[in-house]
Amino acid sequence: NAGVTQTPKFQVLKTGQSMTLQCAQDMNHNSMYWYRQDPGMGLRLIYYSASEGTTDKGEVPNGYNVSRLNKREFSLRLESAAPSQTSVYFCATQRGGLTDTQYFGPGTRLTVL
Amino acid sequence: DAKTTQPTSMDCAEGRAANLPCNHSTISGNEYVYWYRQIHSQGPQYIIHGLKNNETNEMASLIITEDRKSSTLILPHATLRDTAVYYCIVRVVNNAGNMLTFGGGTRLMVKP
Repeated sequence: NAGVTQTPKFQVLKTGQSMTLQCAQDMNHNSMYWYRQDPGMGLRLIYYSASEGTTDKGEVPNGYNVSRLNKREFSLRLESAAPSQTSVYFCATQRGGLTDTQYFGPGTRLTVL
Repeated sequence: DAKTTQPTSMDCAEGRAANLPCNHSTISGNEYVYWYRQIHSQGPQYIIHGLKNNETNEMASLIITEDRKSSTLILPHATLRDTAVYYCIVRVVNNAGNMLTFGGGTRLMVKP
């Protein structure tokens, strides 16, 4: 039972390159989330998926796209990476109940040069 | 979601209780108080949450004032492994995504 897994753990991109961050969960949770955390700051929500087949924008969606591939997987894509997207990206899941807690993955550390 | 105010940093002696305050004076009736912590370089970890009653679990206790404008997270016997950034989050619980809004948090340093 791995919980929430994220790949890759580290990535360095050049400006303009694209990449997809992967998140998978084995907890059978309905909701999944993508956050970013800049140095010394709290987390900010990028996109979320309340259930399979639905996605919605969070606080900072510009420059990102997401796909809820199935119940287990929620990917985050950067089509044309910019230095401002240098950050640590966390995926989280939630079973679906209104007061349920969110469980976070270990994070992906992305540097855009 | 209501804005929260927390001290930037606090120190605590190992074995003593750590009391972390949070002000949320604009909280509304349908907003819960959540606490998460983030140990260096890891993903945030849920600690506890409550609406208006005090709550206790195996990790901590949450004391919410009667007017709900502030709360205190209590770690009863802090250990070195409790050194982390602690986030107080006031969260609207509805069907619109249940997102968490993180502020700057309190950096707790537990010292030997």
